[in-house]
Amino acid sequence: DIVMTQSPDSLALSLGERATINCKSSQSFLFSSNNKNCIAWYQQKPGQPPKLLIYWASTRESGVPDRFSGSGSGTDFTLTISSLQAEDVAVYYCQQYYSSPLTFGGGTKVEIK
Amino acid sequence: QVQLQESGPGLVKPSETLSLTCTVSGGSITSFHWNWIRQPPGKGLEWIGYIYYSGSTNYNPSLKSRVTISLDTSKNQFSLRLTSVTAADTAVYYCARNLPGDYWGQGTLVTVSS
Repeated sequence: DIVMTQSPDSLALSLGERATINCKSSQSFLFSSNNKNCIAWYQQKPGQPPKLLIYWASTRESGVPDRFSGSGSGTDFTLTISSLQAEDVAVYYCQQYYSSPLTFGGGTKVEIK
Repeated sequence: QVQLQESGPGLVKPSETLSLTCTVSGGSITSFHWNWIRQPPGKGLEWIGYIYYSGSTNYNPSLKSRVTISLDTSKNQFSLRLTSVTAADTAVYYCARNLPGDYWGQGTLVTVSS
């Protein structure tokens, strides 16, 4: 199985600050057809299902604010929230969808300080 | 707008079979991968498996011996069966479309308890 390790487990920042969430995979997963990494990022608010933010490591899902961005390659990936807003309080998960079993990171809880 | 809705019993006895259905509206089930994912209370996400619109399936090896996912194109639904459940199977169960999941149901809590 591909293990996805997220860090930190939680972070508390002031409004307007930059949030950086890391995801390290136990192996790389480059999709040969488009040379892109099969990693997605989700946001989950309490009592709600996860919401897809980013796929192919850096492609923003339609309707997602541009303060959310994804980057990385190889086995190290990052979700960045450029200017934290109150509505961004949530748990964020990375997921690899390259090989079975599809696996998620353990989640990073983002709070306002 | 595509919508997914899970349905099924909220309480299942230990050793029995958990059965859930996901009804898809606003789009056809004859495309995409269709997933089941679960989340134990207060914990992270676990992928259970998916069925492709062609009918082929792929299951998490940790659950493979107990899981069946099926498709009913006439009803635009897909279903999950998980046999021999224990308390460890207590979770919110989500259905989701595509890889990665772009549309999700709201989730349904299934509690395994006698």
